[in-house]
Amino acid sequence: DIQMTQSPSTLSASVGDRVTITCRASQSISSWLAWYQQKPGKAPKLLIYKASSLESGVPSRFSGSGSGTEFTLTISSLQPDDFATYYCQQYNSYFRTFGQGTKVEIK
Amino acid sequence: QITLKESGPTLVKPTQTLTLTCTFSGFSLSTSGVGVGWIRQPPGKALEWLALIYWDDDKRYSPSLKSRLTITKDTSKNQVVLTMTNMDPVDTATYYCAHESWIVGAGGAFDIWGQGTMVTVSS
Repeated sequence: DIQMTQSPSTLSASVGDRVTITCRASQSISSWLAWYQQKPGKAPKLLIYKASSLESGVPSRFSGSGSGTEFTLTISSLQPDDFATYYCQQYNSYFRTFGQGTKVEIK
Repeated sequence: QITLKESGPTLVKPTQTLTLTCTFSGFSLSTSGVGVGWIRQPPGKALEWLALIYWDDDKRYSPSLKSRLTITKDTSKNQVVLTMTNMDPVDTATYYCAHESWIVGAGGAFDIWGQGTMVTVSS
């Protein structure tokens, strides 16, 4: 199985901050990585697919990068609506795997 | 517009079998490249992928739960059914179904999710 490890688990930041979340795969997944945002009581929402492609309707302050085993999600200027939990997910292998999540909190 | 909605019991007893139905609209599971997956999330915990079924009836299961899961599709009813046997309190979670397409849009990611259904396992 491919394991996905996110860091940090929790991140405290202020509105306007640049925020970066890292996701590492236990083996190469090429660019087959997605990022999701989840708010309490809601279903996850796709932000980024294929490591760096922005899903339609997602603000351009969100960006993704990386390939192989190391990936990052960057929020260029954190907005009040961005306080949420973020998950990475690989879809390179026969199976699917999610990271353990990164909670972005208000500082 | 693609939508998915999960349905099933909110409470099951330990050792019972859980049957969940995902009813969808806006796409067909007979279209090449399309799949529907199931993902769950225990309260306060991370997302966990469970199973996936494709247009060609290719079925995939989480290795850790494979022995307990069965996923099927009914193309005529636009439904995907997940059964999980021998339910335990640790299976208490919100269960989501989600759309995946390798042909259009998000190229293999789960781009559209249902609202989720909470299942509690308790005697």
